[in-house]
Amino acid sequence: EIVLTQSPDFQSVTPKEKVTITCRASQSIGSNLHWYQQKPDQSPKLLIRFASQSFSGVPSRFSGSGSGTDFTLTINSLETEDAATYYCHQSSSLPWTFGQGTKVEIK
Amino acid sequence: QLQLQESGPGLVKPSETLSLTCTVSGGSIGSTDYYWGWIRQPPGKGLEWIGSIYYSGSTYYNPSLKSRVTISVDTSKNQFSLNLTSVTAADTAVYYCARRGVGAAPDYWGQGFLVTVSS
Repeated sequence: EIVLTQSPDFQSVTPKEKVTITCRASQSIGSNLHWYQQKPDQSPKLLIRFASQSFSGVPSRFSGSGSGTDFTLTINSLETEDAATYYCHQSSSLPWTFGQGTKVEIK
Repeated sequence: QLQLQESGPGLVKPSETLSLTCTVSGGSIGSTDYYWGWIRQPPGKGLEWIGSIYYSGSTYYNPSLKSRVTISVDTSKNQFSLNLTSVTAADTAVYYCARRGVGAAPDYWGQGFLVTVSS
């Protein structure tokens, strides 16, 4: 099973700041890494697929990069509506797995 | 617009079977481009993939749950279902149904359905 480890677990950020969340895979997964945003009492929303492709309708301040084992989600100029938990997810091999999540709080 | 909606009992007794159905609207579950699956999230915790099914009936399960899980599809009703046997309190979670492209990420999710295991 591929283990995804996100860092940090929690981040408190001021609006307009830049946020960087990393996801490290226990083995190479190519570009088969995706990012989700989940707000309280909502289902996860796909932000980035295949490491760097923005999903339809996602604001341009969200971007992704990386390949192999190390990946990054970047939120440029954080907005208050971006307060949420962010998860990475791999579809390289079964069982498909998720990172433990990174909670982003607005200061 | 594709929509998925989970339904079923919200309370299940320990040792019994959890059964949920996902109804798909705005698209066909018989599409060859997608898998349909279940993901769960215990209260305050992270996401766990349970399993997926293709319209043909081919299934893929998480090994951690494989002995207790069955996912089935009914293309005539545009629905797919989850059965999880011998439940315990550890199976208490919000259960999501979702669509995923072949080799891709789940892109459309249901709103989620809380199932509590308690006597």
